[in-house]
Amino acid sequence: DGGITQSPKYLFRKEGQNVTLSCEQNLNHDAMYWYRQDPGQGLRLIYYSQIVNDFQKGDIAEGYSVSREKKESFPLTVTSAQKNPTAFYLCASSKGDRVTGELFFGEGSRLTVL
Amino acid sequence: DQQVKQNSPSLSVQEGRISILNCDYTNSMFDYFLWYKKYPAEGPTFLISISSIKDKNEDGRFTVFLNKSAKHLSLHIVPSQPGDSAVYFCAASAGAGSYQLTFGKGTKLSVIP
Repeated sequence: DGGITQSPKYLFRKEGQNVTLSCEQNLNHDAMYWYRQDPGQGLRLIYYSQIVNDFQKGDIAEGYSVSREKKESFPLTVTSAQKNPTAFYLCASSKGDRVTGELFFGEGSRLTVL
Repeated sequence: DQQVKQNSPSLSVQEGRISILNCDYTNSMFDYFLWYKKYPAEGPTFLISISSIKDKNEDGRFTVFLNKSAKHLSLHIVPSQPGDSAVYFCAASAGAGSYQLTFGKGTKLSVIP
């Protein structure tokens, strides 16, 4: 089945540690995204990538880093510089055509900083 | 500065009745609007969209209305079913070249059997 796989689903981290969230898609989509959701808040864009080896900052990129070495993969690293990393993280992808704007989301990764 | 606003955090509707979820936006550059549905601990799924050249789009039980002059859109669900209980997010996009969607905070719909 085609889709987006995020791992791990739950992750605990001690303060000061970096952590990497995995996102893989087999939809053959060119564009991939990372969003963050906090309780009672909408989804906020962290980073997005339109094509391999290219990515742009979203609204809240500080404290995060990404890479896009393969079309299928877009890992997100939450660094120790991120002040409030506890959140629900969602990866998404879309066809290169952004006219429609439809995103396909993974099931999310919940990060808790202890 | 919130560019997409969903002012009702929650809504309860009786099964079989109409559910109306509202969304307002401030950015006049937005030209494409989408609704996503989200169940707990899952990613959102696309529901329906509308381009700014239209004022209505219908898909089965779901209809989205766009009022550009008021910068307002609404999602109508008729008839509402218990399986529709979820959080609904309104989102907007500005321009064909934009890769960014701006989301509202969501409205939690509860359909009571």
